[in-house]
Amino acid sequence: NAGVTQTPKFRVLKTGQSMTLLCAQDMNHEYMYWYRQDPGMGLRLIHYSVGEGTTAKGEVPDGYNVSRLKKQNFLLGLESAAPSQTSVYFCASSYSGGPKNIQYFGAGTRLSVL
Amino acid sequence: RKEVEQDPGPFNVPEGATVAFNCTYSNSASQSFFWYRQDCRKEPKLLMSVYSSGNEDGRFTAQLNRASQYISLLIRDSKLSDSATYLCVVNRAVGGTSYGKLTFGQGTILTVHP
Repeated sequence: NAGVTQTPKFRVLKTGQSMTLLCAQDMNHEYMYWYRQDPGMGLRLIHYSVGEGTTAKGEVPDGYNVSRLKKQNFLLGLESAAPSQTSVYFCASSYSGGPKNIQYFGAGTRLSVL
Repeated sequence: RKEVEQDPGPFNVPEGATVAFNCTYSNSASQSFFWYRQDCRKEPKLLMSVYSSGNEDGRFTAQLNRASQYISLLIRDSKLSDSATYLCVVNRAVGGTSYGKLTFGQGTILTVHP
């Protein structure tokens, strides 16, 4: 049972470099989300998608872009990485967006920007 | 004021103890509530959902008080394996549509010792 898979697991970037984080889910979920988690803070929503071809901004979208070209994949891009983007990034998916929707998380990507 | 506030702890308890965590939320329109568990350097995983006044699952009991905008988690007969960070999570409702967006508390750290 793969569930939600994130790649890569770890990455070190230099300031100004770009990269793409990949999230893949095999549960046929409509909704997908990208969060970041920093020490002493709860998970914060970066962007989300309510279906293939759709994306929307979350709480902290600046400096990130996303794409959902296929239902099972949700990509998070950093065009010009900054040290403030050093964080742990989690992808999640859910069957629906209703109040009882349960989100399932990937194992996370630890990103350091030097 | 944070949307979801938790006592960060840490809570250090002996095996067999009963421990309770509290959480308050600010958005009175919030529709559903969850407790997620996060082990060190791992992804959050759903522990319990709370849709009405409360929910019980074995040693774990969650209570909801909508009037006071307060959620609690009670763990009885603590085990070493209960050591983790417990995240209070609220499903936001904006204009009746939340798109599944969740707001996370910063987490409460629990350590159970022999």
